[in-house]
Amino acid sequence: GEDVEQSLFLSVREGDSSVINCTYTDSSSTYLYWYKQEPGAGLQLLTYIFSNMDMKQDQRLTVLLNKKDKHLSLRIADTQTGDSAIYFCAENGGSTLGRLYFGRGTQLTVWP
Amino acid sequence: KAGVTQTPRYLIKTRGQQVTLSCSPISGHRSVSWYQQTPGQGLQFLFEYFSETQRNKGNFPGRFSGRQFSNSRSEMNVSTLELGDSALYLCASSLAPDVNEKLFFGSGTQLSVL
Repeated sequence: GEDVEQSLFLSVREGDSSVINCTYTDSSSTYLYWYKQEPGAGLQLLTYIFSNMDMKQDQRLTVLLNKKDKHLSLRIADTQTGDSAIYFCAENGGSTLGRLYFGRGTQLTVWP
Repeated sequence: KAGVTQTPRYLIKTRGQQVTLSCSPISGHRSVSWYQQTPGQGLQFLFEYFSETQRNKGNFPGRFSGRQFSNSRSEMNVSTLELGDSALYLCASSLAPDVNEKLFFGSGTQLSVL
């Protein structure tokens, strides 16, 4: 559960949808997570998905999981300037004990 | 419900010194994990404590240590500081034990080693 890949940057215009993609390698991962980090702050848990689900929707957030391809995406509808932050994908590698494996993060910039 | 509290928020030390960081988990949470975040390495897992026992450990030298108290509060210690230890140290708590371990993070302690 050590290889989680994300693109580093994404820029969108306010009101558009944002899609942040992530790939992971550990097929034993049972849960996958999206965290948000704003400047000078810790990580905020946005949402998570169980590995036997394909999709999860939570207000403006939609998570899609393709377990066969080990691909996870986070869609943010009607993106706002307040959504500008770094978004981290993480997986639990099939076990937990406090350890999640994080990607390097995607810097989302929302232009007015 | 109060979140995860980390103190101090900022810390400046010199090489060779030691430092202790503190973390108070969310009330009722019994697991505390520590992560190091740097621009170069990203988020790296240090260790995890549950019921005062270290259950999991990342790949860090022995200079990095931690402990957990009976009230679930945790401290981590770094001895003989090196320049490369400059980082944001994040603490996370969770209810544990559970397969779906949702970690809730504090704001971190920004450590600068000069």
